[in-house]
Amino acid sequence: AQSVAQPEDQVNVAEGNPLTVKCTYSVSGNPYLFWYVQYPNRGLQFLLKYITGDNLVKGSYGFEAEFNKSQTSFHLKKPSALVSDSALYFCAVRDRVGYSTLTFGKGTMLLVSP
Amino acid sequence: EAGVTQSPTHLIKTRGQQATLRCSPISGHTSVYWYQQALGLGLQFLLWYDEGEERNRGNFPPRFSGRQFPNYSSELNVNALELEDSALYLCASSPGLAVPYNEQFFGPGTRLTVL
Repeated sequence: AQSVAQPEDQVNVAEGNPLTVKCTYSVSGNPYLFWYVQYPNRGLQFLLKYITGDNLVKGSYGFEAEFNKSQTSFHLKKPSALVSDSALYFCAVRDRVGYSTLTFGKGTMLLVSP
Repeated sequence: EAGVTQSPTHLIKTRGQQATLRCSPISGHTSVYWYQQALGLGLQFLLWYDEGEERNRGNFPPRFSGRQFPNYSSELNVNALELEDSALYLCASSPGLAVPYNEQFFGPGTRLTVL
């Protein structure tokens, strides 16, 4: 079975400071990893994904994530937070075999203060 | 290019009734996924359809069912509604089995309220 853990329900950061949203995963084989963002009363928007290759993945809106196989982590980062980054962030994992589906973490609320 | 669309936006039902939710995928996408987002529970996978076939099913009772039509649109049916079925139901689409690592594209959701 595959699973995702987002250990923080909420992350608070001041505008202009770097931000990190943590994610660890568990799969039987090699993973596909994704980050999505959800703004209030909206569906999820794709930010970035790791498939293979370079462990540092760059995505939309200046976000990036680092795949760490030994620590089974895929933390989301941004060098300088914006107030408009405040939203709910979801990490998701998918195994590479068969009819595997996406498993999402419970989400981390990011609050960026002015 | 139009995104994933869902209807209705809001749906209010009473306990024991049936609800039908609809989803149209992005043009060219053959896979449709359904998720339930209940307060505090994150996204729970419900169903996955591709090329008209059910490919996978989440841990939900049989009263949650669906289908995919020849034009790849999809319908989610929830029978014998219970209060705990109140949630945001999200539909997503992707290009299909040929591209398993492709991201899913989400619709805005249908808010189901069961009274």
